Amino acid sequence: GIQVEQSPPDLILQEGANSTLRCNFSDSVNNLQWFHQNPWGQLINLFYIPSGTKQNGRLSATTVATERYSLLYISSSQTTDSGVYFCAVGQKVTFGIGTKLQVIP
Amino acid sequence: KAGVTQTPRYLIKTRGQQVTLSCSPISGHRSVSWYQQTPGQGLQFLFEYFSETQRNKGNFPGRFSGRQFSNSRSEMNVSTLELGDSALYLCASSSVPKGYNEQFFGPGTRLTVL
Repeated sequence: GIQVEQSPPDLILQEGANSTLRCNFSDSVNNLQWFHQNPWGQLINLFYIPSGTKQNGRLSATTVATERYSLLYISSSQTTDSGVYFCAVGQKVTFGIGTKLQVIP
Repeated sequence: KAGVTQTPRYLIKTRGQQVTLSCSPISGHRSVSWYQQTPGQGLQFLFEYFSETQRNKGNFPGRFSGRQFSNSRSEMNVSTLELGDSALYLCASSSVPKGYNEQFFGPGTRLTVL
């Protein structure tokens, strides 16, 4: 099956800093989502982005399907951005192991 | 539109018991997928139902089963609970079979097996 790798596994940021999270996948896909899991376990949809670039406020995402990766950009991070970020790809919706982000004041 | 709802939110059971979890998808969504999340294994796919038919199944023992009703609500059942079944169980709904469009997740049911 498809392999999904996310990096970095852990990230600590000072409030206000910017960051880039990466998702690599082993096969071409026509389905890719980014989620944020909050401390209570809820998975919140960030982007549905099989290809191209999307922006939503301080967050943006880019998927380069031909090169099999996606990037999630967080600008001007806030403490409420803390949590785990997952990408999920492919028809079988395979999840990566996530990037655990901690934003400190 | 109301989001995906799951009941109960928290559950404590003992080994050997059985449990039933419920998921109501977003109105109009016909696909419901179930996932198990544990610290050691991450998010693992259990099964998907679409229009009352099981469409896909992950690598879980037969103790894990599910069904979907005509109103698209879904239940999953775990029989003969084991300590390792302690996990966050998440369901997700989508308008078309999973993998073809965006999925939306419920808040999860946190199951503790003692």
